[in-house]
Amino acid sequence: KQEVTQIPAALSVPEGENLVLNCSFTDSAIYNLQWFRQDPGKGLTSLLLIQSSQREQTSGRLNASLDKSSGRSTLYIAASQPGDSATYLCAVKGSYQLTFGKGTKLSVIP
Amino acid sequence: NAGVTQTPKFQVLKTGQSMTLQCAQDMNHNSMYWYRQDPGMGLRLIYYSASEGTTDKGEVPNGYNVSRLNKREFSLRLESAAPSQTSVYFCASSGGGQPYNEQFFGPGTRLTVL
Repeated sequence: KQEVTQIPAALSVPEGENLVLNCSFTDSAIYNLQWFRQDPGKGLTSLLLIQSSQREQTSGRLNASLDKSSGRSTLYIAASQPGDSATYLCAVKGSYQLTFGKGTKLSVIP
Repeated sequence: NAGVTQTPKFQVLKTGQSMTLQCAQDMNHNSMYWYRQDPGMGLRLIYYSASEGTTDKGEVPNGYNVSRLNKREFSLRLESAAPSQTSVYFCASSGGGQPYNEQFFGPGTRLTVL
């Protein structure tokens, strides 16, 4: 059974810092990996999707990498802003379903 | 283009009552999903529909039924609600019948069962 782990569970950084969120998964037979953002009381917003054949994807200040063979992904956020404060979820795609990690709660302090 | 919509946003039920959660998408996606999100457990798949006319069980299907009414709509029914079904329910959709497509989520339904 696929298991997804996100470390750390919570992270607090001062505004302007670059930061890395980590995601690991136990079964490398995945189709893709997706990073989401969730604000309190809200739904999930898709940030980046990396296909299994890709190594990384970039969107603005966000860069996600994937090392399928080692079962790891990282989400790099450059020049963090208070508006980046949210919970970040990693999910890996098996056949038709996503398996989610429990998330990293990020707080960016002004 | 509203994306994925869910109704209701909030609901309080008494144990044993029934209700249906509604989900609709306007992105012409083939696949639709129902998840629940619980503190400390993350999101877990309840049921999914890979295409119109098909439904399959996910990780936690017990106590739920689903209907893929048409390509746009996918409903989740609780026949006899239990306190253990207190949760936030999310509907999602993805394009095509391929497993590599991005999933898009609705805003959620917050359900409390007393």
